[in-house]
Amino acid sequence: GQNIDQPTEMTATEGAIVQINCTYQTSGFNGLFWYQQHAGEAPTFLSYNVLDGLEEKGRFSSFLSRSKGYSYLLLKELQMKDSASYLCAVSDGNNRKLIWGLGTSLAVNP
Amino acid sequence: GAVVSQHPSWVICKSGTSVKIECRSLDFQATTMFWYRQFPKQSLMLMATSNEGSKATYEQGVEKDKFLINHASLTLSTLTVTSAHPEDSSFYICSAPPTGFEAFFGQGTRLTVV
Repeated sequence: GQNIDQPTEMTATEGAIVQINCTYQTSGFNGLFWYQQHAGEAPTFLSYNVLDGLEEKGRFSSFLSRSKGYSYLLLKELQMKDSASYLCAVSDGNNRKLIWGLGTSLAVNP
Repeated sequence: GAVVSQHPSWVICKSGTSVKIECRSLDFQATTMFWYRQFPKQSLMLMATSNEGSKATYEQGVEKDKFLINHASLTLSTLTVTSAHPEDSSFYICSAPPTGFEAFFGQGTRLTVV
């Protein structure tokens, strides 16, 4: 079956670094996405990985290991505004449908 | 980047009435649109996939007669919640399929049925 796992909640301190993990088991793989979502708003795109390795974009980085079915999102220099839900999603094939994880609610404390 | 415009942003309706939500692709043609529902503190749940010129594909457990989806043109997809009940209150959001880097989401519609 299709399954994506990520922690439900995480807490971190302003200025610190936090890593949000995501493991997946899907019938196919055509890329992994990370989205940020604030309450009541649409998700916003953070990153896309289709090859193994680390993709860095400012304070945010995302890593993928296809052999392990594993990804993480790394947030550096945390700010209060980073408090949000972080969603991991996998595109499993040609129909471009995304399989979504349940999301990780991150709380950044002063 | 590509833009998907979703309206209304929020709506309050009485039980038993119907509500229509529109999603328009403003600067690209969307042959497919995904419709999601999201309850508080939960992830996105795919309800159905609309396809221009053909019938929508519904996910298991989603009532086709209750959630009517129409993909009238390459730039417009609509979701109509018929005979709405309080349990239909949720956040509904549309999305055009990922082109390789990101999926394009509408702004979302907060539906409250009273």
